[in-house]
Amino acid sequence: DIQMTQSPSSLSASVGDRVTITCRASQGISNYLAWYQQQPGKVPKLLIFAASTLQSGVPSRFSGSGSGTDFTLTISSLQPEDVATYYCQKYNSAPWTFGQGTKVEIK
Amino acid sequence: EAQLLESGGGLVQPGGSLRLSCAASGFTFSSYAMSWVRQAPGKGLEWVSIISNSGGSTYYADSVKGRLTVSRDNSKNTLYLQMNSLRAEDTAVYYCAKSYGSGSLMRAFDIWGQGTMVTVSS
Repeated sequence: DIQMTQSPSSLSASVGDRVTITCRASQGISNYLAWYQQQPGKVPKLLIFAASTLQSGVPSRFSGSGSGTDFTLTISSLQPEDVATYYCQKYNSAPWTFGQGTKVEIK
Repeated sequence: EAQLLESGGGLVQPGGSLRLSCAASGFTFSSYAMSWVRQAPGKGLEWVSIISNSGGSTYYADSVKGRLTVSRDNSKNTLYLQMNSLRAEDTAVYYCAKSYGSGSLMRAFDIWGQGTMVTVSS
């Protein structure tokens, strides 16, 4: 099975900072990659699909890039409401594996 | 507005069974693949199972294969997860989720329910 590895596992940044989270697939998955945000105590929310397509209603400070094995989620200007754990997920074939998550906190 | 509402969670002894339900509303349920995703307390998301829009294709995580069974009733707009031979490691919040875009299984999950807690303990 293809493994999904996120880095870092956690990070702390200041409001307004640019934040980058990476996700690496152990084999190529084309652009079948999604990013989800899970705020504390809340349900996961789809942010980005097809590696770089922003889901409707998601703020434009979020962006995604990559193809094949290496992917990136960027928050251009971190806001207090962005405190959350972020997960990548592959969906090109079974199993629909999630990364282990990246916890984002405000410094 | 598309909504999903899970039910059926609770406390069950190891080796026991439970059936979860997920009632869908606000979209054409029969057009979309549906999934179950779980999250153990304090842990990350784990994909469990997916079923095609017709119910003709199903896939499972290795950790649940042979013990959990996904099904759907498109006439009732409801997704199910039959859970047998439950283990302590199955303790988690179970979410149902809708695939984005009709037809294909190879989609991200755009709508999630609130989740239902399953606790396996003696």
